[in-house]
Amino acid sequence: DVKVTQSSRYLVKRTGEKVFLECVQDMDHENMFWYRQDPGLGLRLIYFSYDVKMKEKGDIPEGYSVSREKKERFSLILESASTNQTSMYLCASSPREGFHSPLHFGNGTRLTVT
Amino acid sequence: DQQVKQNSPSLSVQEGRISILNCDYTNSMFDYFLWYKKYPAEGPTFLISISSIKDKNEDGRFTVFLNKSAKHLSLHIVPSQPGDSAVYFCAAARVTDYKLSFGAGTTVTVRA
Repeated sequence: DVKVTQSSRYLVKRTGEKVFLECVQDMDHENMFWYRQDPGLGLRLIYFSYDVKMKEKGDIPEGYSVSREKKERFSLILESASTNQTSMYLCASSPREGFHSPLHFGNGTRLTVT
Repeated sequence: DQQVKQNSPSLSVQEGRISILNCDYTNSMFDYFLWYKKYPAEGPTFLISISSIKDKNEDGRFTVFLNKSAKHLSLHIVPSQPGDSAVYFCAAARVTDYKLSFGAGTTVTVRA
């Protein structure tokens, strides 16, 4: 069974801090994604990666960066956290074939920026 | 601008009855549609999908209908069970693209 593990369930950070959200998947999937979920807005794509060291901007990349040094790990970085980045962050993975193989999500990290 | 819209934030249905969730999209290039289900404190899980070459796909109690001319799809759950109480997200994509666009979600509550 596919497992996508997000390192933290809850995080509280201060404005201006650099924040790292980590995600690891154990199914050798090529594609990995970072979404944020906000009430009334659903899930919005921040960044995705289709291979090691490859990344593509999603719909809302501003204020974020990502790192994919190994196939199983995809990190989301908030360079200088702001209160409008308080949200639920969801990592997902899928095999190369794209959406004929649906996304597998982690359980999410709820980030609060104060 | 959201390209996938779920205009009903919530739905309450009695156990055993039908739940109908609606979803509209604006991008005519979308050719693959999915429904995800999310319980509190868990990530979304895939429920059912449909390609634009079909107008119906069925999997057990779940059926998705696609009306391309209206840019509308719906998810039917028959019969509804208490375990179906969750948030349901509609999503759409182009098969050639990696990006999924999600709706805002509909919270379904199944009453005993």
